[in-house]
Amino acid sequence: KAGVTQTPRYLIKTRGQQVTLSCSPISGHRSVSWYQQTPGQGLQFLFEYFSETQRNKGNFPGRFSGRQFSNSRSEMNVSTLELGDSALYLCASSVPPSTTSGQETQYFGPGTRLLVL
Amino acid sequence: QKEVEQDPGPLSVPEGAIVSLNCTYSNSAFQYFMWYRQYSRKGPELLMYTYSSGNKEDGRFTAQVDKSSKYISLFIRDSQPSDSATYLCAMSAIGNQFYFGTGTSLTVIP
Repeated sequence: KAGVTQTPRYLIKTRGQQVTLSCSPISGHRSVSWYQQTPGQGLQFLFEYFSETQRNKGNFPGRFSGRQFSNSRSEMNVSTLELGDSALYLCASSVPPSTTSGQETQYFGPGTRLLVL
Repeated sequence: QKEVEQDPGPLSVPEGAIVSLNCTYSNSAFQYFMWYRQYSRKGPELLMYTYSSGNKEDGRFTAQVDKSSKYISLFIRDSQPSDSATYLCAMSAIGNQFYFGTGTSLTVIP
């Protein structure tokens, strides 16, 4: 089974621009979460989508938005880029809860490395 | 106070050593505990998954959860140079978002 794929893998943008990142989850996974990873802050939760609806949201400004399509693919958009947005953006897809675990388990893609100049 | 605290290291051990990695947390509602391994310039890879308290073993890896102390550990036996990576702990309450530690950088020296 193919893993989580993210495109593009690398991006260079300038302040004020906007960017769209794409994530294709593992086949059969309906939940997609997005994270920002920086050396100082670690992994910070952005938002989660399940069946095209935002289910959870982290503490990021409105410049960060996302959406999910009917085929479970997801995109996230960052508008008016700032230097501090430079980070690795990770997407994770979740397997439905098993009968024993009762909780989803997340599988990550390789990430998109964004550099804002 | 952060939801999850993890010593960032770095940790450097000789090949064959036993490695102990730890995280503490503050939210008593957490029931699901995970360890991820992240190699440089890669996404995190799920290593261990534990529900509630207790131990779980998988090959050279053992995960322990002590909910009374709000403390989780990952032990790596007979460490190998290929274990050199950043290890992230993660946890969640049912149906809620995942909370991650900042990661511990491990280097295993041949």
